[in-house]
Amino acid sequence: DTAVSQTPKYLVTQMGNDKSIKCEQNLGHDTMYWYKQDSKKFLKIMFSYNNKELIINETVPNRFSPKSPDKAHLNLHINSLELGDSAVYFCASSQGPLTQETQYFGPGTRLLVL
Amino acid sequence: GESVGLHLPTLSVQEGDNSIINCAYSNSASDYFIWYKQESGKGPQFIIDIRSNMDKRQGQRVTVLLNKTVKHLSLQIAATQPGDSAVYFCAPRGSGTYKYIFGTGTRLKVLA
Repeated sequence: DTAVSQTPKYLVTQMGNDKSIKCEQNLGHDTMYWYKQDSKKFLKIMFSYNNKELIINETVPNRFSPKSPDKAHLNLHINSLELGDSAVYFCASSQGPLTQETQYFGPGTRLLVL
Repeated sequence: GESVGLHLPTLSVQEGDNSIINCAYSNSASDYFIWYKQESGKGPQFIIDIRSNMDKRQGQRVTVLLNKTVKHLSLQIAATQPGDSAVYFCAPRGSGTYKYIFGTGTRLKVLA
């Protein structure tokens, strides 16, 4: 059983398009995250939701908008895609935001903007 | 701002030898630390964690050492195996925050 799943796994699109990435976790966790990993493997947090409430919102262009319809899902919508958005996007979840719990990561979505 | 650095971007180790991966962090308020392993094409995977009130923690073939005085962590892997080849990240968390700051990663290559 997949704990944290993301769709799609690969996404190739043109500059200026709008795209969404979906994430679901079946671990019963309260907190979910989006990370961006660049070509040098640098992993940086973008957003975090706890029980559908936004708790982390890093300095990310407002073209990126997360949406959490319920605590098992956290989707990421990106408007007006730019070349620099090309990266691997990871979703993760944890039991809670302040508990000393590990985060479980999804397999990643590889986004390539042409 | 916070930063996490690693002493070696790539570490090559002979199969069967021990590996030591180092990590320096800047936030002295960090209270919890995790080491992650990321294999090619996959997401990071938890290996071991340590709280700031400890200086050593052991798992199966892995040991994490924490030196808060110099803000340094290390991950030791005993009897390194080909399956250990991956990128390793340390991720300290600031006290009272929700955020983990991931380092740039160290690539471990296991030579046969």
